[in-house]
Amino acid sequence: AQKVTQAQTEISVVEKEDVTLDCVYETRDTTYYLFWYKQPPSGELVFLIRRNSFDEQNEISGRYSWNFQKSTSSFNFTITASQVVDSAVYFCALSEPETSGSRLTFGEGTQLTVNP
Amino acid sequence: EPEVTQTPSHQVTQMGQEVILRCVPISNHLYFYWYRQILGQKVEFLVSFYNNEISEKSEIFDDQFSVERPDGSNFTLKIRSTKLEDSAMYFCASIPAEGGGELFFGEGSRLTVL
Repeated sequence: AQKVTQAQTEISVVEKEDVTLDCVYETRDTTYYLFWYKQPPSGELVFLIRRNSFDEQNEISGRYSWNFQKSTSSFNFTITASQVVDSAVYFCALSEPETSGSRLTFGEGTQLTVNP
Repeated sequence: EPEVTQTPSHQVTQMGQEVILRCVPISNHLYFYWYRQILGQKVEFLVSFYNNEISEKSEIFDDQFSVERPDGSNFTLKIRSTKLEDSAMYFCASIPAEGGGELFFGEGSRLTVL
């Protein structure tokens, strides 16, 4: 069965520090998708990225970057030069279209606090 | 930009009452979902809906829950007799087609059961 583990429950950094949020997943499927969502204090879920299992190329979007490594079943998320507005809960998620359609399995989330 | 809208944003109800949460998915989307998030916990899948029927449901989605698309635009989640443990944020989501696409989430409906 699919599983997503975010071992870091809470992380606290000072503004401008770089921070990496870890995500490890388990799946038996060869085709799957990985996601990151941000949940700010207002509560909505904000889509950040989707990556399919066949594309291991790392991605950078502004201060955000993602490192996907199938060999270690990890999909880590790095924020460079963090800002106070980055404070939120970040969720990693997995979907397995072949076995469960677009149903997402979420990790427990990592609460990131960026202090001024 | 099209978005998924949910109403109400917050509802307070007494235990045992029926609650209906409403969602308007993005208009050309075909697959609809409800997820639940108990305060401070992870987001959990409840049910998926396609072609006017449930395509998958989790063990959380018991006989107290039902979903329907009554008029081709709204997608509703009904909880027949609410329990204290139903207090949570409920998110509606939709995608245009199945297959790992970006799930567009609404802003959520917070349900508080007293």
